[in-house]
This record gives sequence, structure tokens and C-alpha cells, in this order.
Amino acid sequence: DTGVSQDPRHKITKRGQNVTFRCDPISEHNRLYWYRQTLGQGPEFLTYFQNEAQLEKSRLLSDRFSAERPKGSFSTLEIQRTEQGDSAMYLCASRGAGTEHGYTFGSGTRLTVV
Amino acid sequence: DQQVKQNSPSLSVQEGRISILNCDYTNSMFDYFLWYKKYPAEGPTFLISISSIKDKNEDGRFTVFLNKSAKHLSLHIVPSQPGDSAVYFCAASDSGGSNYKLTFGKGTLLTVNP
Repeated sequence: DTGVSQDPRHKITKRGQNVTFRCDPISEHNRLYWYRQTLGQGPEFLTYFQNEAQLEKSRLLSDRFSAERPKGSFSTLEIQRTEQGDSAMYLCASRGAGTEHGYTFGSGTRLTVV
Repeated sequence: DQQVKQNSPSLSVQEGRISILNCDYTNSMFDYFLWYKKYPAEGPTFLISISSIKDKNEDGRFTVFLNKSAKHLSLHIVPSQPGDSAVYFCAASDSGGSNYKLTFGKGTLLTVNP
């Protein structure tokens, strides 16, 4: 299966701890997105990478959040000093050049902050 | 401000009948619209899309209708099957930007009863 992979699938952490999530996009896709979905809401855009360049960040991405995509391959999303409000499903998606709307989403990482 | 609205949190239909899911948007810059289907613990899966230059797009049992003047779109599923039971998200994109990020509605839970 060469879909979008996210790791871990579930993460429970104590408030104040740092967490890091990983996304492996489809190998030929050079665009990568992070979205966040909270209970009862649709996914909300967080950030966008084209290759290794982070081209857009939502205002939802506070200074406690940082995302990277070294070498334009996998991406990581780190949350520092987690808060209970960070509890959500974090979704990664990728698409290739020339497929403007052809997103493929991963299964997500569910974060619970206790 | 909710730019994409799905005002029905849930919909229940009988197997074999038509399911109609509705979506409204407020941003006039949106010119591409998509429907995603989501099962619990999985990422959204692309279902069908429509460009603003069209008013209808059909793919098997799924048809999407777009009324630009009313800023309204709908997804018709006919005939509905129990396997269609899932949360359906409406999403919109502004192709004038370069990142094709999606703005999602809150979703409608469709239950198809045997």
C-alpha cells in the first residue's frame, strides 16, 4: 500500500509534555498538508509544504506548533507544552503536481491531552 | 466564520432510497467543490468533485449539483446502500491561490437503514 502513512495512530500525553507526529506522503507527491479535526468539526487547515518549503501557515498554528519537511519527503508536526485544547485528530494529506484537487489523506493521529 | 456550512448534522434514509446532502458556502472566491466520505478512525476519502464552470457532475450512484447563484451544492446518492453510512464532508477551494487548501464544513452523518 503506497498511501499516506501517519505515525502514531494514537497518542495520549500529559498536559505540558511535547509530542511529535510523523507523516509519510505518497512518494511522488511534492505537496503536503496538515489539517486538524476536533469533535463535531470538519478538518481545518494548519500548514502547507511544497517540497521542503513551508509556504503557508494558518493562524491556528500557534508558536507552540512547528512543522518541518526536511528534504521534501516525510514531515513532522511538533506540539510543545501541550494543552487540553490540543486534543484532536491531526490529519496529513499529500498531492502531486498537476493534481490540484487530488488530495490523499492519511488515517490521522488522534491526540488526547490529559 | 463558517465559510462552508452543512446545516444538517445527520440524515437517516432507507436502503434503496435517495440520500440528499446539502452544503452552502459564503466565499465567492471558491471555485472548486468536493465531497469527502469519512469512516470512524480513518482519514477522509475523496468521493466526487465539481468545478464552478459546471452545474452537475455524476459518478455512478453519486451526483453533485452546484447552484452558484445560491452558493449551494448538494450530493445525491441513489440508490443508497448501508455501506454508504458515514460522515460526509463538503469542502471548497479557491483555485486562485497556489496552495489549493480546502475549507471543510462540519459534516453530515448519513445512516442508511437496511
